[in-house]
Amino acid sequence: RKEVEQDPGPFNVPEGATVAFNCTYSNSASQSFFWYRQDCRKEPKLLMSVYSSGNEDGRFTAQLNRASQYISLLIRDSKLSDSATYLCVVTRGYNTDKLIFGTGTRLQVFP
Amino acid sequence: DAGVIQSPRHEVTEMGQEVTLRCKPISGHNSLFWYRQTMMRGLELLIYFNNNVPIDDSGMPEDRFSAKMPNASFSTLKIQPSEPRDSAVYFCASSLTGPGGSLTFGSGTRLTVV
Repeated sequence: RKEVEQDPGPFNVPEGATVAFNCTYSNSASQSFFWYRQDCRKEPKLLMSVYSSGNEDGRFTAQLNRASQYISLLIRDSKLSDSATYLCVVTRGYNTDKLIFGTGTRLQVFP
Repeated sequence: DAGVIQSPRHEVTEMGQEVTLRCKPISGHNSLFWYRQTMMRGLELLIYFNNNVPIDDSGMPEDRFSAKMPNASFSTLKIQPSEPRDSAVYFCASSLTGPGGSLTFGSGTRLTVV
């Protein structure tokens, strides 16, 4: 079983739509969680951290469910510029230095 | 801040040749990571350093791969001899150690071994 699993997509949505991605992780001892964004042929960049109580940053909402070991990302009012691959990232167990990346979910927003 | 700087951006080499990838982390960051990205396997952690010391190299594929960090501002990843299956994008990233630390990536080196 992969340490971090994501639906590869692609998710094709119209502008203005709401879209949600889920991610599951296998190590119950993982401590920190993140969503990264990667544009085509670019490096990954931090989108947001994911906190136990859930957190919001503008149109983006991230949630963590430790009991079920999954993380979600909700994007409201999708923009064309949101088109990218979204990578779910968790630390490997108690080691907060090692970040393990999922293979990503591709989002394509169309006009 | 110039960010994480990697060189070269692109490298095309023949099978059997030695390849050296270079990375300069963000000043003040004390952890450095080497990742490899392919379509099939996504981003794989190869090795990481903390305060210039290799902490975990369990992701290094085989003995053909080696990494060094002689000082806080420079690291290399070497492949000798290179093989076509090593073709990938190699990313270097740095961070400040500690809970909740996030990574800043360089632009990557796109390696093609023919």
